[in-house]
Amino acid sequence: QLQLQESGPGLVKPSETLSLTCTVSGGSISSSSYYWGWIRQPPGKGLEWIGGIYYSGSTYYNPSLKSRVTISVDTSKNQFSLKLSSVTAADTAVYFCARHAVAGTRWFDPWGQGTLVTVSS
Amino acid sequence: QSALTQPPSASGSPGQSVTISCTGTSSDVGGYNYVSWYQQHPGKAPKLMIYEVSKRPSGVPDRFSGSKSGNTASLTVSGLQAEDEADYYCSSYAGSNNNYVFGTGTKVTVL
Repeated sequence: QLQLQESGPGLVKPSETLSLTCTVSGGSISSSSYYWGWIRQPPGKGLEWIGGIYYSGSTYYNPSLKSRVTISVDTSKNQFSLKLSSVTAADTAVYFCARHAVAGTRWFDPWGQGTLVTVSS
Repeated sequence: QSALTQPPSASGSPGQSVTISCTGTSSDVGGYNYVSWYQQHPGKAPKLMIYEVSKRPSGVPDRFSGSKSGNTASLTVSGLQAEDEADYYCSSYAGSNNNYVFGTGTKVTVL
């Protein structure tokens, strides 16, 4: 059973870079049919797609975040990572990682449990 | 890209049906049959309930169904049960460079 788990600091200072890692277990991140994505949810608010990556390193980003986002993959560790630079309080959110189907279909499943990142000094 | 529009809340008694709308544009919902729906209980991760407008993943009860007309997609939950009380989000592929957009979310209450 495929499982995803987010990890990283729960507190980041304003103007610094948020860094999270998603570890995939129960399956290979090098599967040809899937991308691996990040989605966030500010407290009490809705979901926002951030972007994703293919095992080859091909990436795609939300245009509204593109200038600050970098997603990378480490196939040897079955992990992919998110970096969001120049964070502000508006970036405070629960960050989820998810498998993203793209081969003739489009959906996110399964999702990690999510990790809360608070931006505060 | 703007979030897809959903009603903030919907409710129904056990056994009844509730339908949630998800309105976008011709660049997302109306342009592709790649609408998916997610159920999220408080403090939990979203769960895929419907994909490609009307398809159900294995294990999702057939009480959940999806449809689309023009720029608006809909999720119907029939035979409401207490465990259906949750937040529901739609999502759509929005083309151009693999863009995706989520809905504003609807809180379903089982009365």
